[in-house]
Amino acid sequence: EAQVTQNPRYLITVTGKKLTVTCSQNMNHEYMSWYRQDPGLGLRQIYYSMNVEVTDKGDVPEGYKVSRKEKRNFPLILESPSPNQTSLYFCASSLSRTSSSLYGYTFGSGTRLTVV
Amino acid sequence: RKEVEQDPGPFNVPEGATVAFNCTYSNSASQSFFWYRQDCRKEPKLLMSVYSSGNEDGRFTAQLNRASQYISLLIRDSKLSDSATYLCVVNRDGGATNKLIFGTGTLLAVQP
Repeated sequence: EAQVTQNPRYLITVTGKKLTVTCSQNMNHEYMSWYRQDPGLGLRQIYYSMNVEVTDKGDVPEGYKVSRKEKRNFPLILESPSPNQTSLYFCASSLSRTSSSLYGYTFGSGTRLTVV
Repeated sequence: RKEVEQDPGPFNVPEGATVAFNCTYSNSASQSFFWYRQDCRKEPKLLMSVYSSGNEDGRFTAQLNRASQYISLLIRDSKLSDSATYLCVVNRDGGATNKLIFGTGTLLAVQP
């Protein structure tokens, strides 16, 4: 089944403890992206990647890192999480950045992160 | 001003009703438009693309008005299962950038 898989689904952590949220897709998509969703603010892009070893900042990159060593994986790293990073996170992918404007994105199931 | 604006609702409608949502966007260069559906605490899922001439998929009709920079979604014969948040999505610049911008969503609650 074609899908985007995120792990974990739920995570509670303490301020300053490094964490990684994994994202993997099995559709051979070139383009991958991370979003966070907060009430009243909608989905905001954190980082995106157009292909292996090609990543760039989205609208709200502060406090996050990403890597794209393989085409299928795009982990989101919080080196020193803070309470304002408590949010619902989604990984998304599309065949290419161009195709996203035609067909939209496929989203993972989400990771609900709480930083205390 | 937000790039994509939607009425947050909630829209409370009885089963069988027809309901319409509007969404306005600020970038006149935007080329691509979508409606996504998001169930509570779940991921957004593509409902339909919006084409210049308007398009229909079963009970759902999407329309685009470029002159006024808004898109609309019409749902006929509402079902309980239509209860969800509907997200309006627009690409930011068109051309090479093709970044998708999401509205904050309109909540629909269909009542029995």
